[in-house]
Parts: sequence; C-alpha cells; structure tokens
Amino acid sequence: DVKVTQSSRYLVKRTGEKVFLECVQDMDHENMFWYRQDPGLGLRLIYFSYDVKMKEKGDIPEGYSVSREKKERFSLILESASTNQTSMYLCASRVAGASGANVLTFGAGSRLTVL
Amino acid sequence: GQQVMQIPQYQHVQEGEDFTTYCNSSTTLSNIQWYKQRPGGHPVFLIQLVKSGEVKKQKRLTFQFGEAKKNSSLHITATQTTDVGTYFCADLSYNTDKLIFGTGTRLQVFP
Repeated sequence: DVKVTQSSRYLVKRTGEKVFLECVQDMDHENMFWYRQDPGLGLRLIYFSYDVKMKEKGDIPEGYSVSREKKERFSLILESASTNQTSMYLCASRVAGASGANVLTFGAGSRLTVL
Repeated sequence: GQQVMQIPQYQHVQEGEDFTTYCNSSTTLSNIQWYKQRPGGHPVFLIQLVKSGEVKKQKRLTFQFGEAKKNSSLHITATQTTDVGTYFCADLSYNTDKLIFGTGTRLQVFP
C-alpha cells in the first residue's frame, strides 16, 4: 500500500511565525500535491509538483511556498502565518502518466491553528 | 476558473433510506473521480468515470456521469451507519492534469 505521511497531525502557531508542513511518500510517486480543506469549500489546491525540483501554482498559492528537493518529500511553507491560514492541510501523491489512473493517495492531514 | 459544486452540502438520513449527492461543473467535465472521507480521516478514492453517460456500481453505491459531461451523481441505496462521511467529486483536467475537487456533501446516518 502507498503510504503518505504528514509529519504533524496538529500544530498551533502564532501569527507571523514561519511554518513548515512536511510530507513524505514511500512509493516513488512523481507527482505530489498540497490541498487545504475548509468547511463548505471542499479541497482547494495550493501547489503541486510533477517531479523533483519542479513546482506549479495551484488555485490558492498566495501566502505559501513549497520545496521538492527529493522525490519522496514535498514541503509546504508558510513564510509568515496568518489567522486565515488556519485550516486542515492535506498532502497527496500519485503516479505520473498512469493510463486511466491519476488516483490520489492522501496523507492523514495536518490541522494548523494560527493564533 | 472552473468551479465544481456539490449539492446538498449536508444530508441527514435515517438508516435504510437512500441518499444522492450531485456534482455540477461550470465547464465540461473531463474525467470524474469520487472520494470518501470518514470523520477524522482523509479522502479515499472510490471510483473513476470517463465516458459520457457511464454508470458504475459498487455494491450499494451507484455512480453516474451525465450525458453532456456537465454533472455526475453518487447514489447510495439503503444507507448504513458505515456510509457516514463526506463525499467529494473531483474533475481531472486534461489540460492542466490537476484534480479540481467539489465542495463535498457530508452525510450523517441515524440508526
């Protein structure tokens, strides 16, 4: 089974702090994604990466950056956390180019509260 | 940009009743996936629909892709308490290869 592991299940940070959310997958997937989940808004794509060193903006990239130095690891960075970034963050991965697949495997999520 | 809306946002049903969630898009859908997220859990893939008018079944769950590829639906027959959770549809855009998720429908089943 593919396993996507997010380093922190719950975090509490203060406004202005720099926050790192780490995600590691163990199945050699090329593509990795960061979503945030808010009630009534579903899952919104923040950033994604097709492969190592590559990154693409999603629908709501403002206030976030990412890093993909190794294939298995995709980090989400909040340079200066704000209260409107309080949310559930979900990391996901998938195999690239698999015909008819494109299925995402999600991590357990990281619930971030910014005070 | 593309918006994928789901209705209803919440649904409470008595165990044994049927349930349907609808997924509607502002643009033509390419390839629909459905995910289920149990309370406190993460989304888990259920099924993928590709062809116009396609219907797929998984036990008590029936998934349908609209003829015009502008909507999709998930119908659960005779709900059980194990069906509790939030159901998301997601459209895979062939242009961008991104998966755009719907707003989700949260199902509560009372025994």
